[in-house]
Amino acid sequence: KNEVEQSPQNLTAQEGEFITINCSYSVGISALHWLQQHPGGGIVSLFMLSSGKKKHGRLIATINIQEKHSSLHITASHPRDSAVYICAVANFGNEKLTFGTGTRLTIIP
Amino acid sequence: DGGITQSPKYLFRKEGQNVTLSCEQNLNHDAMYWYRQDPGQGLRLIYYSQIVNDFQKGDIAEGYSVSREKKESFPLTVTSAQKNPTAFYLCASRGLRTGLIDEQFFGPGTRLTVL
Repeated sequence: KNEVEQSPQNLTAQEGEFITINCSYSVGISALHWLQQHPGGGIVSLFMLSSGKKKHGRLIATINIQEKHSSLHITASHPRDSAVYICAVANFGNEKLTFGTGTRLTIIP
Repeated sequence: DGGITQSPKYLFRKEGQNVTLSCEQNLNHDAMYWYRQDPGQGLRLIYYSQIVNDFQKGDIAEGYSVSREKKESFPLTVTSAQKNPTAFYLCASRGLRTGLIDEQFFGPGTRLTVL
C-alpha cells in the first residue's frame, strides 16, 4: 500500500507570497492528483499528472518520478486560495486512490 | 451541467438507525466511489463500483452497504453496525477509458451526525 505524506500540515502566509506544498509517496504510481477542498467540504480536482509539470493560472504542479515527490506552487497568493490542498496517488494497475492528510493553507490579506 | 450531486448536505440520525446517503452523477462515468473523511485523516475508501450491479469493498467497508442498480446512482447505507458513523462522506466518479488515466470528480459531500 502506498504511503502519502504531505508537508507542511498547516501553512499561513501573507497575500502575494509564493506558496509551495509538498507531497511524497513510497511506491511507484501511475498518476498523482492535487485536489482542493474548501471549508464547505466539496473537493475540486486541480491537477492530474504522471510526469513533468502542469500550469493552470497561478497554480503550478510538478512531479519527480525518480524521487517520488510532487510539489504544488501558488504564485501571487490570494485570500481566496485559502483551502485544504490534498495530494492523492493512483498505484499501477489499481483503480483506487491513496490520499494524503492535506495541507491547510491560510492566506492573510 | 454535468456533475455529481449528493443529498442531503447535512444529515442527523439517532444511534441505531440505518441511514442512506444519495449519490447521483450525470457524467456517464463507469466507476463510482464512496469515501469517508475524518478530522486529521486522509480520505478513506469505503466501497467502489466499476460497473452496474457490481461493487467492491474498500479499506473500511464494515458497517456500510451499497448498491449499483443504475449507472448514474450509487447510494451508500450506513448501518447500525458502523461503530463510529459521524463523519463527512464524499462520493466520486471516474470514466474508465481504455488506455487512459481519468481523473476523479467529487460530489459536494454529506456531513452525517449520529446523535
